[in-house]
Amino acid sequence: KQEVTQIPAALSVPEGENLVLNCSFTDSAIYNLQWFRQDPGKGLTSLLLIQSSQREQTSGRLNASLDKSSGRSTLYIAASQPGDSATYLCAVRTSGSRLTFGEGTQLTVNP
Amino acid sequence: GAGVSQTPSNKVTEKGKYVELRCDPISGHTALYWYRQSLGQGPEFLIYFQGTGAADDSGLPNDRFFAVRPEGSVSTLKIQRTERGDSAVYLCASSLRGPGNTIYFGEGSWLTVV
Repeated sequence: KQEVTQIPAALSVPEGENLVLNCSFTDSAIYNLQWFRQDPGKGLTSLLLIQSSQREQTSGRLNASLDKSSGRSTLYIAASQPGDSATYLCAVRTSGSRLTFGEGTQLTVNP
Repeated sequence: GAGVSQTPSNKVTEKGKYVELRCDPISGHTALYWYRQSLGQGPEFLIYFQGTGAADDSGLPNDRFFAVRPEGSVSTLKIQRTERGDSAVYLCASSLRGPGNTIYFGEGSWLTVV
């Protein structure tokens, strides 16, 4: 059974700092990995999708990497802003149709 | 529509009652998913539709839960004899063809069973 772990559970940083969020998964036979953002009381917003054959994806100040063999992904956020404050969720698709999610990292960026 | 739309946004119901939650996916998306999220947890998979058929319903917790998508667009999640443990956010999502594509989530239906 696939298990996804996200570290840290919570992170508080000053504005402008570069930061890294970590995601690990137990079954390396994945089809893809997706990073989401969730604001309080809201649904999930897709940030980046990495297929199993890819090593990284970039969108603006966000960069996600994937090391399938070691079961790890990182989400790098450059020059963080208060508007980046949210919960960040990592999800992997192992087989079939389901995504398995981690419990998320709650990020606070202080002005 | 522009995004995945879910109604109602909030629902409070009494234990034992029947509840229906509706999802309107992004226009043209053939794949539709239901997930459930409890406080402080990541979403958990319930069911996946490809077109009108439930291609994978292995995440439904028990036979009180049922979902339909009769015309391949709007879907309804139905919960019978609700229990307090059913309280959660029910999230609907859609993707263009299948799970290999980016999945887009709605804002969820917050269900509270009292």
